[in-house]
Amino acid sequence: EVQLVESGGGLVQPGGSLRLSCAASGFTFSDHYMDWVRQAPGKGLEWVGRTRNKANSYTTEYAASVKGRFTISRDDSRNSLYLQMNSLKTEDTAVYYCAKITQGGIDCWGQGTLVTVSS
Amino acid sequence: DIQMTQSPSAMSASVGDRVTITCRASQGISNYLSWFQQKPGKVPKRLIYAASSLQSGVPSRFSGSGSGTEFTLTISSLQPEDFATYYCLQLNSYPLTFGQGTKVEIK
Repeated sequence: EVQLVESGGGLVQPGGSLRLSCAASGFTFSDHYMDWVRQAPGKGLEWVGRTRNKANSYTTEYAASVKGRFTISRDDSRNSLYLQMNSLKTEDTAVYYCAKITQGGIDCWGQGTLVTVSS
Repeated sequence: DIQMTQSPSAMSASVGDRVTITCRASQGISNYLSWFQQKPGKVPKRLIYAASSLQSGVPSRFSGSGSGTEFTLTISSLQPEDFATYYCLQLNSYPLTFGQGTKVEIK
């Protein structure tokens, strides 16, 4: 069974940093692209970014709203995905989901971790 | 960036109704579109991928159609468990973009 378990969320002050993790199991993690998607309280879904797999040089893509502040990385030996978030803003407050990518796009989501940016 | 416009934003429907939700892309995206269902406090669930392919395990009352710039999600006979918010997602180009969501409520 595919499982994605996010961790690392919490309360952080504006301008601060936070690192989210996503532990994957039940599939060959190293084969897959992985995404981060977020959802602000009471709002819709927003794609944050993507990391490709080793075969595609672990290249990344980002939404304009986070580019230059957020960094996606992965450790295939640990079956883990990461989201390093710097220079956090109040508008970054959201539940952050990691998601597994297949041929048809996002097909499986983690349970999410809440990030609150507030003073 | 490609903008995805869903309509309606919200709707009321009764059990047994046929429900259609539309998603329009600001430029052509071929069939690179997925549909997701999200219930309150729950994780989104994929219903449809590649515009019209039904995700394994999803009831056949859900169907998707369209190509290019206009897409539809149809629920042929609305069931109590289908009251939720539905989102489209374009995967044609970066950044990926979601529609704003359609909330389907009980009439």
